[in-house]
Amino acid sequence: EVQLVESGGGLVQPGGSLRLSCAASGFTFSSYWMHWVRQVPGKGLVWVSRIKSDGSTTSYADSAKDRFTISRDNAKNTLYLQMNSVRAEDTAVYYCVRGDGYAYFDWGQGTLVTV
Amino acid sequence: QSALTQPPSASGSPGQSVTISCTGTSSDVGSYNYVSWYQQHPGKAPKLMIYEVSKRPSGVPDRFSGSKSGNTASLTVSGLQAEDEADYYCSSYGGSNKNWVFGGGTKLTVL
Repeated sequence: EVQLVESGGGLVQPGGSLRLSCAASGFTFSSYWMHWVRQVPGKGLVWVSRIKSDGSTTSYADSAKDRFTISRDNAKNTLYLQMNSVRAEDTAVYYCVRGDGYAYFDWGQGTLVTV
Repeated sequence: QSALTQPPSASGSPGQSVTISCTGTSSDVGSYNYVSWYQQHPGKAPKLMIYEVSKRPSGVPDRFSGSKSGNTASLTVSGLQAEDEADYYCSSYGGSNKNWVFGGGTKLTVL
């Protein structure tokens, strides 16, 4: 069974930093693209970033460019999102998502970031 | 404002069918057969229901079906059941510039 468990969310001051982690299990982590998707409570889903299976390629939404960094440690089956210079509008639940092809097949339970 | 346009609400009685639309542009929905649909119950994570326009992941009932015409994709839920009441989001790949875009979500109510 695929499990994605996010951690690291919490309350952070504007301009501050936070690192989110996602522990993956139940699948071959090193074989899949991984994504972060966020959702303001009561609002819609927004894609944030993605990283290739081997970590060699990353992409960001405009709102995350130059402030957020996605990374992964395939030896630890863990995905990260380093969030710097956070703003009030970054307040959201952040989901770790396993990508397969061009869809999001498995989602974590999310971690809430409040700025 | 979301990149893809969905109606904010839809409803139907048990046993009926309901269709939710998702309108994008020629650079996302219209260019790629990479439309997917997600179901989200309150307080829960989204769940993939349809991918690549019309494919169902293992375990998703065949009451759920997807289609696309031009820049508009659709999700049809047939034989509505109480547990289908949820928010539904569409998503499309938008190429290397836009990456992935989502719709604003549709709240499906089973009357």
